[in-house]
Amino acid sequence: GNSVTQMEGPVTLSEEAFLTINCTYTATGYPSLFWYVQYPGEGLQLLLKATKADDKGSNKGFEATYRKETTSFHLEKGSVQVSDSAVYFCALIPGDSSYKLIFGSGTRLLVRP
Amino acid sequence: NAGVTQTPKFQVLKTGQSMTLQCAQDMNHNSMYWYRQDPGMGLRLIYYSASEGTTDKGEVPNGYNVSRLNKREFSLRLESAAPSQTSVYFCASSELLHQMGTEAFFGQGTRLTVV
Repeated sequence: GNSVTQMEGPVTLSEEAFLTINCTYTATGYPSLFWYVQYPGEGLQLLLKATKADDKGSNKGFEATYRKETTSFHLEKGSVQVSDSAVYFCALIPGDSSYKLIFGSGTRLLVRP
Repeated sequence: NAGVTQTPKFQVLKTGQSMTLQCAQDMNHNSMYWYRQDPGMGLRLIYYSASEGTTDKGEVPNGYNVSRLNKREFSLRLESAAPSQTSVYFCASSELLHQMGTEAFFGQGTRLTVV
């Protein structure tokens, strides 16, 4: 089946620290991969995406590389800010023409000044 | 830019009561979705509508019904609320249902408590 596994949170970092949030997946075919972010009190927003192997998605200083050989899509940022505090969701659309957007359980990030 | 608008933002229901969650999008998207978000479980798809006039079940449809009223609006109805339906509900829309890499746009959510 199709599924997404994320590291459990919360992740607590000091400002300017390096961030990695791990995400691995199982999927049929060649999925598209996404990171969504949910700021407090808001809905989810697309942060970045990658639609084929070795693609790198990037936005707002965040990056993630589609690694087919390790079925991973880890989120990284070199220097986090307090404003990055949010819940981050890894997600996929399977490669079998499925309609589904399948989410991981989310990882809460807290950045302290 | 309104995007996806949900009402209400908060609701408390008694067990057995009914209610309808409203959702409207102004992006001329064909596809719309209802998700529920529970702690530690991410988002799960309740129902979706590929295009105006069609609706289909998602992963957790039991206890819910939907109506795609027109291209803009997609409502979710709880006919007889149960405590297990306490959750945060999100409406979303996207341009096309089966397009690879399609971005979904989400509303701000409705926090529903059933007592």
